[in-house]
Amino acid sequence: AQSVSQHNHHVILSEAASLELGCNYSYGGTVNLFWYVQYPGQHLQLLLKYFSGDPLVKGIKGFEAEFIKSKFSFNLRKPSVQWSDTAEYFCAVSLNSGGYQKVTFGTGTKLQVIP
Amino acid sequence: SQTIHQWPATLVQPVGSPLSLECTVEGTSNPNLYWYRQAAGRGLQLLFYSVGIGQISSEVPQNLSASRPQDRQFILSSKKLLLSDSGFYLCAWSSTSWNTIYFGEGSWLTVV
Repeated sequence: AQSVSQHNHHVILSEAASLELGCNYSYGGTVNLFWYVQYPGQHLQLLLKYFSGDPLVKGIKGFEAEFIKSKFSFNLRKPSVQWSDTAEYFCAVSLNSGGYQKVTFGTGTKLQVIP
Repeated sequence: SQTIHQWPATLVQPVGSPLSLECTVEGTSNPNLYWYRQAAGRGLQLLFYSVGIGQISSEVPQNLSASRPQDRQFILSSKKLLLSDSGFYLCAWSSTSWNTIYFGEGSWLTVV
């Protein structure tokens, strides 16, 4: 069965600091990869996704993620965080299973950006 | 464009009472539908998924059930709630031809 690990449960950064959130998955086959974000009081939103092609994926609000197949990783990065990036971030892996998307989420990383 | 809505947004129910959370999707047909539960420190757990009307699959054994009476309607139910059913429930959908899951606003359930 697939699994997703997010190693940082809580990250605190000052504004303008660089961000990297780790995500590793375990599955030997073809997967699709996602990062979702949940801002305080809001619903879960898609931040970026990787299906195929260029392993460096750019998402909304200046976020990007790099798929490294050999490391089974899909780390999320942002060069300079803002206070408005305070949110919980979820990595997810999906594969097609019997006609539906079997999606497994990580446990989430809470990011707190201090002004 | 496609939209997904679920309600109620918050719910406080006594132990042993029934539950009904409803979710509807607009702007698409024959979506895959999902119910997730988000528990603190445990990420998002898939509870049920449906690939069509009346087709429900359960991922984990539990005190809950799901039904899909119409193409774009997905209902999460319980006959008798337990304290452990408290949590944040998310409905989601995906197109069979895409691979992205989109989530509703979520429903906070507190069982007292």
